[in-house]
Amino acid sequence: QSVLTQPPSASGTPGQRVTISCSGSSSNIGSNAVNWYQQLPGTAPKLLIYSNNQRPSGVPDRFSGSKSGTSASLAISGLQSEDEADYYCAAWDESLNGWVFGGGTKLTVL
Amino acid sequence: EVQLVESGGGLVQPGGSLRLSCAASGFTFSSYSMNWVRQAPGKGLEWVSYISSSSSTMYYADSVKGRFTISRDNAKNSLYLQMSSLRDEDTAVYYCAREHDEGGGTSMAHFDYWGQGTLVAVSS
Repeated sequence: QSVLTQPPSASGTPGQRVTISCSGSSSNIGSNAVNWYQQLPGTAPKLLIYSNNQRPSGVPDRFSGSKSGTSASLAISGLQSEDEADYYCAAWDESLNGWVFGGGTKLTVL
Repeated sequence: EVQLVESGGGLVQPGGSLRLSCAASGFTFSSYSMNWVRQAPGKGLEWVSYISSSSSTMYYADSVKGRFTISRDNAKNSLYLQMSSLRDEDTAVYYCAREHDEGGGTSMAHFDYWGQGTLVAVSS
């Protein structure tokens, strides 16, 4: 029952392109920037994409983000085994006066 | 190098209290808003609380409002989370996270650095 909705799982083979969706509402994604975090097994989350489509230094350009209306998506091209992780979208929610996260998407590289 | 190091986690009985700390280094702590985010075992991320750089503004998730108190000491480069009336469902790894504002306030911010987390287990 997360405020932002993500598919619980996604998968792809090495080299493929996968996308992960994130759906919200006018009080969060619709009016604020979307950020994406990657959490490798057993580690703390790491910033992957910020302000809808910006990559922090050190993040490969295989990762990209986009936003339209009250939805956002994360795309990973040239899938690699090390991309196997949990991915979370997040945004500030003006109605709740707090940060909201998606439930997370577990990406499996087949 | 930016570092955030949480401490203070442990096993506590339901109804008990615990104080978490987050020691910051490698940046001007007093210039940044900070947050606590938690993750229950096998579950997703849940935002817990926010505090502005000067402590003038605090926000809480509904699930902890009235039970948890966020605070900071800019002179000690430290962030705190005082947790009371703890419940089983508060069991989680608690992360502190630095909030970076892109100039548009919280609406354009993101968590650019995270600590390694500290585990809080609430059980009798």
